[in-house]
Amino acid sequence: AQTVTQSQPEMSVQEAETVTLSCTYDTSESDYYLFWYKQPPSRQMILVIRQEAYKQQNATENRFSVNFQKAAKSFSLKISDSQLGDAAMYFCAYSPRDGGATNKLIFGTGTLLAVQP
Amino acid sequence: NAGVTQTPKFQVLKTGQSMTLQCAQDMNHNSMYWYRQDPGMGLRLIYYSASEGTTDKGEVPNGYNVSRLNKREFSLRLESAAPSQTSVYFCASSPRRTVTYEQYFGPGTRLTVT
Repeated sequence: AQTVTQSQPEMSVQEAETVTLSCTYDTSESDYYLFWYKQPPSRQMILVIRQEAYKQQNATENRFSVNFQKAAKSFSLKISDSQLGDAAMYFCAYSPRDGGATNKLIFGTGTLLAVQP
Repeated sequence: NAGVTQTPKFQVLKTGQSMTLQCAQDMNHNSMYWYRQDPGMGLRLIYYSASEGTTDKGEVPNGYNVSRLNKREFSLRLESAAPSQTSVYFCASSPRRTVTYEQYFGPGTRLTVT
């Protein structure tokens, strides 16, 4: 069974600094998708970034980028120039490409990020 | 375009009571999902519907039933609520897998069972 592990329950970063959130996953599939979702205090789940496993290039979305290491099954999220609005719970998620008729997501347990002014 | 909407936002039930959580999406998505979120456990899939007329169990289906009423609506029913079902419930939807693999989430329902 596929699993997603986030080993950092809480992290803290100073405003304008850079922080990296870790995620590892376990799968026997060769093709899949990985995601980072952000959940601010409002509870709304917001997609931050996605990575397709067959693409070697790491995904980037403005201040957010990933370090995807397929062989190591590692998918970390780097937030540059951290802002107060980045404070939230961050979830790593996995979806197999061949998951049947629908794309079920498997989530990690989350990392709570605090941003200090 | 409201995206994914859920009602109610908050609910308190007594043990043994029943209720239905409503979810609707206006994005013409084929698939819909129900998750529960508990502290320290991330989101876990309760039930999902790959398309109108089909439903399947997820990781934690016990104590729940679902109905895919039409393409837009997917409801979650608790027949006899238990304190262990105190949680935040999220509905999500996604388009065909050939379009994108991401899911779009509703704002959640906080349910407390006393």
